[in-house]
Amino acid sequence: NAGVTQTPKFRILKIGQSMTLQCTQDMNHNYMYWYRQDPGMGLKLIYYSVGAGITDKGEVPNGYNVSRSTTEDFPLRLELAAPSQTSVYFCASSYLGGNTEAFFGQGTRLTVV
Amino acid sequence: GIQVEQSPPDLILQEGANSTLRCNFSDSVNNLQWFHQNPWGQLINLFYIPSGTKQNGRLSATTVATERYSLLYISSSQTTDSGVYFCAVPTNFGNEKLTFGTGTRLTIIP
Repeated sequence: NAGVTQTPKFRILKIGQSMTLQCTQDMNHNYMYWYRQDPGMGLKLIYYSVGAGITDKGEVPNGYNVSRSTTEDFPLRLELAAPSQTSVYFCASSYLGGNTEAFFGQGTRLTVV
Repeated sequence: GIQVEQSPPDLILQEGANSTLRCNFSDSVNNLQWFHQNPWGQLINLFYIPSGTKQNGRLSATTVATERYSLLYISSSQTTDSGVYFCAVPTNFGNEKLTFGTGTRLTIIP
């Protein structure tokens, strides 16, 4: 099993550009999450999904959009990138939300210049 | 919402020393996870521990849910133990979300 796979691993964007961070999991997990981690800080929840077709906002959703059309995939869209979105982005999944163990992808390091 | 505080924020130890990291949470939870973020940024699962004590090699964790804290013990530290240790607890009405603690940065000196 590959677990949780994120692409790309690194990306540099110019201010105002858009991009999609990809996340896929092969564990048949219902719940998926996007977190961001700023340098030297903890993880903050951006968006999460409890199943295909259902998404909800976390602590810091502004500037991001998500969709969940399949159980496996949970892409994160950045529209009009800003320097404040420079961060490391982690995708995670779990079978039953906080009631079961969560597993993380390798992260995507994004720099907006 | 629930507050998750970890202590100490930073810890520097000599190789071979033992350490105890603490995670306090402000509301009752039915489980807790410990993660190690290595110097390359990877988040590695250490323990999923609803209550009681679990052991894995030199690491062990104890959660006392009634008193709202968990402890992570690292014995005979090695340089590869360096990194940041996070605890995380389920939150929201249906435990849908996972809220992370503030982290403890551990540095092991050879």
